[in-house]
Amino acid sequence: GEDVEQSLFLSVREGDSSVINCTYTDSSSTYLYWYKQEPGAGLQLLTYIFSNMDMKQDQRLTVLLNKKDKHLSLRIADTQTGDSAIYFCAEIPSGGYNKLIFGAGTRLAVHP
Amino acid sequence: DVKVTQSSRYLVKRTGEKVFLECVQDMDHENMFWYRQDPGLGLRLIYFSYDVKMKEKGDIPEGYSVSREKKERFSLILESASTNQTSMYLCATKLGTEAFFGQGTRLTVV
Repeated sequence: GEDVEQSLFLSVREGDSSVINCTYTDSSSTYLYWYKQEPGAGLQLLTYIFSNMDMKQDQRLTVLLNKKDKHLSLRIADTQTGDSAIYFCAEIPSGGYNKLIFGAGTRLAVHP
Repeated sequence: DVKVTQSSRYLVKRTGEKVFLECVQDMDHENMFWYRQDPGLGLRLIYFSYDVKMKEKGDIPEGYSVSREKKERFSLILESASTNQTSMYLCATKLGTEAFFGQGTRLTVV
């Protein structure tokens, strides 16, 4: 079956690194995504990783993929107050139709 | 820039009313989706469409239907609104690896 799980809350101090974790069940997932949702807004794509990669870096963002454990993480370096948002992990499972399956979202709170 | 426009940001409807949520995209994408977002549950897929007049049920289609008469427009219909359909509704389109989301419609059923 298709399932994506995330912890619901994370609190970090400004300037520290944040690590948001996600596990998924479909080992044949082709792409895995991180989306950000700021208050009152829709979802914004942050980054994605293809399943044959194990790491992707984009400025302050680092995505790590452990395919064996079906574990995805998003690391935000030098976390700022503007990073406060809900972060969603998502996958495209095997089976066609290109539909995205989302986790419940992790609410990141950044405090001074 | 891709634009996905949902017709209303906020909507209040009465129990039993027929409700239409409209979504329009301007980039000729074939795939369109309707999700609902609830705290602690994330986004759950209601219906999706991969072409005009084509539709597929998602994970929670009960109480909903959809219409895709033109490529750019995907409508979500609540046949008889109920209070448990109070939620945030998000429309999305997809091309290749990236999905694009509308701003969402917060629907309250009273």
